[in-house]
Formats: sequence, structure tokens, C-alpha cells
Amino acid sequence: KQEVTQIPAALSVPEGENLVLNCSFTDSAIYNLQWFRQDPGKGLTSLLLIQSSQREQTSGRLNASLDKSSGRSTLYIAASQPGDSATYLCAVNDNNNDMRFGAGTRLTVKP
Amino acid sequence: ETGVTQSPTHLIKTRGQQVTLRCSSQSGHNTVSWYQQALGQGPQFIFQYYREEENGRGNFPPRFSGLQFPNYSSELNVNALELDDSALYLCASSSGGRREDYTFGSGTRLTVV
Repeated sequence: KQEVTQIPAALSVPEGENLVLNCSFTDSAIYNLQWFRQDPGKGLTSLLLIQSSQREQTSGRLNASLDKSSGRSTLYIAASQPGDSATYLCAVNDNNNDMRFGAGTRLTVKP
Repeated sequence: ETGVTQSPTHLIKTRGQQVTLRCSSQSGHNTVSWYQQALGQGPQFIFQYYREEENGRGNFPPRFSGLQFPNYSSELNVNALELDDSALYLCASSSGGRREDYTFGSGTRLTVV
């Protein structure tokens, strides 16, 4: 059974810092991996989708990498802004169409 | 193009009661997935509907049931509510029965007292 872990559970940084969020998964036989953003009490917004054959995806200040063999993904946020404050969730989709989420990293960017 | 709409946004029910949550999928999407998100946790997959048929189910008891209608909107029904059912219930629509490229709704916050 796939287990997805996100470290750290919470992170607080000053505005302007670059930061890295980590996601690890136990079964490397994945179909794809997605990073989502969730604002308090709200639904999820998809940020980046990495297919199993890809190593990374970029969108603006966000860059996500995938290392299937080691069961790891990172989300890099450059030049963080207060508006980036949210919970970031990693989700792994396997070949059986089973999608599992981590518990998320709660990010606070202080002005 | 409309997004995913969920109703109601908030709901308070008493233990033992039944509840129905509703979801309208994004235009062009024929697949709806339901997730339960407890406070401080990631979403847990309940089930998915693709072309009006159940297309996969997570580890939830039979008192969690669903429907998908010809217009691809969906309902989640929960019978015999328990206190632990208190959570944010999220609906996500997609195409082709896949659990990717989701568009999520804003969720229904259910509180069971």
C-alpha cells in the first residue's frame, strides 16, 4: 500500500526566501505525481503534474522534481511571497488509478 | 467554462442522521471523485464515478454511497452519521476515468454533533 509523507509539516519563512518542500513515497511504481495548493477551508488547486517518465516540471516561480527510484519529489518555490502562504499537498497516482495524498506542509511567508 | 460547484458549503448534522452532498462537475468532464479530508490530514479517496458507474472505491464502509447523473453531476450520501464523519468533503471532476488533471470544488464542511 502506497504511503506518502511530507516533511516538514509546517514551515515559516521571511518574504523573499527560496524554499523546498519535500514529499516521499514508498512504492516507486507510480503513474504520476501532483502538487496541489490548499487555502484554509477551501478546495485544492493543481500546481504541477509530473508524469512518471519526467524528471521535473516548472511553472513560474515553482519547480517540482521527481526521483522515482528514491521515492522522492521536491517542490521548489523561488522568491517566496506572503500570497504563497497555504498548505501544499503532494499526491501520488499509481498504475491502478489509486491516488494517495500526503498530509501536507503548511507554509507561512511573513512580510 | 464553469468550474466544480459543491453544495451546501457548510452543514451541521446530529449523530445517526443521514446527509446528501451535491457536486456539479466542470463542463466537459465525465468523471467525479469524492474525497474526505479530516482536519490536518490529506484527502482520503472515497469513490469515483465514471459515466454513471462506480469506478473504484476507497476504504470506506457501505454507509457511504453515491450516484452520478446523466449530466455527470454527483451525490454523496452518508447514512447513520458518526462523530468521526466530521470533515471537509471534496469533489473533483476529470475526464476519462483518470484520477489526474482534477478540478476540485471548494468542499462541503460537515460537522456531526
